[in-house]
Amino acid sequence: AQSVTQLGSHVSVSEGALVLLRCNYSSSVPPYLFWYVQYPNQGLQLLLKYTSAATLVKGINGFEAEFKKSETSFHLTKPSAHMSDAAEYFCALGNQGGKLIFGQGTELSVKP
Amino acid sequence: DTEVTQTPKHLVMGMTNKKSLKCEQHMGHRAMYWYKQKAKKPPELMFVYSYEKLSINESVPSRFSPECPNSSLLNLHLHALQPEDSALYLCASSQESSGVKNIQYFGAGTRLSVL
Repeated sequence: AQSVTQLGSHVSVSEGALVLLRCNYSSSVPPYLFWYVQYPNQGLQLLLKYTSAATLVKGINGFEAEFKKSETSFHLTKPSAHMSDAAEYFCALGNQGGKLIFGQGTELSVKP
Repeated sequence: DTEVTQTPKHLVMGMTNKKSLKCEQHMGHRAMYWYKQKAKKPPELMFVYSYEKLSINESVPSRFSPECPNSSLLNLHLHALQPEDSALYLCASSQESSGVKNIQYFGAGTRLSVL
């Protein structure tokens, strides 16, 4: 069975600090992985996607994620947090049926 | 342009009302989705339409009735809802409905309150 686990339902960082949001997956087939961001009272916006090309994926707003097959991970990072990064972040795994399997989400808070 | 437009943004309805949610995309996508999202939870898939035909119904109660009038439009008809149906309803679209490379683009959602 396929699954996604996001470690930490809430992460708090100071403005300018490194952001690290963790995502681990389980899949018996080569995975296609996504990170979405959801700002308050909005829908989900695609940050970046991994589709088996480069293992280091760059996304919008300065975010990037590295696919590590040996660790079954796809962690999201940003070198320097900004107040506007405060949001809910979802890691998702695409399955053969076209469905998205979401993690439980991580709420990112940024302190001034 | 990767825009999915949902109307209305907010909806308040009584348990005996009938209302509809609307979703529109002009990206030429052939798959459209309805999700339900409760606060602090990931979206839960409700329905998938592929080439205007219902392809997935995730055992959703019949008080929710989807409709796909054409390839650009998706409606969700609501009738006799319960207070526990209050949630954010998200629409999404993608080029196709199958294949792991499918990228789903989401609308801003309709915030539904059932009184």
